[in-house]
Amino acid sequence: QSVLTQPPSVSGAPGQTVTISCTGSSSNIGAGHDVHWYQHLPGTAPRLLIFGNKNRPSGVPDRFSGARSGSSASLVISGLQAEDEGDYYCQSNDFKLKGLWLFGGGTKLTVL
Amino acid sequence: EVQLMESGGGLVQPGGSLRISCGVSGFSVSKKYMSWVRQAPGKGLEWVAMMYSGGNAYYADSTEGRFTISRDQSTNTLHLQMTSLRVEDTAVYYCTGGISRADHWGQGTLVIVSS
Repeated sequence: QSVLTQPPSVSGAPGQTVTISCTGSSSNIGAGHDVHWYQHLPGTAPRLLIFGNKNRPSGVPDRFSGARSGSSASLVISGLQAEDEGDYYCQSNDFKLKGLWLFGGGTKLTVL
Repeated sequence: EVQLMESGGGLVQPGGSLRISCGVSGFSVSKKYMSWVRQAPGKGLEWVAMMYSGGNAYYADSTEGRFTISRDQSTNTLHLQMTSLRVEDTAVYYCTGGISRADHWGQGTLVIVSS
């Protein structure tokens, strides 16, 4: 059971918009720690998708966006494409863990 | 261009030891926070260990006392020495570089703990 809670799965048709939530607590996201998101496609290494709650590294399409509010964060993927199918993870820090890394349980995105 | 390349994975018996390594190009392992993250079969990502740029090392509760993270500045390589291995340590181990997040990832190396 991860401290950061994500839905196990989400799905959407090509072109649609999906949202993946990441719910934490007052010791991690709620304490102001940034949330980062990773995309893990089959057969590839994970890659950083969103950092600092809402920022995209260079090369990440603007179809991907992030937000943080209170003790939760969300990843929004608009204009779904078949190649977006894979697993998505949120990550933050927790002062109870000396500020070290905490991953959500992951969400499998299926493009219908 | 930044590249991270893990090596050293393989099959090891429960209770055994193994050292995996991560060769880095594009930045110095002593200038970034370097971490190991693993993914067990059918499971999600799990943070394993981290070394700060200053040299301090930190471990997940599941690996503290058994795993040791280290770096070699002369070869720009990160290592993870794993001892007293358990079946539940079976996973793909990824090397990552970044501070509060994993900016860069390697392709991973598979460690299988089985008799």
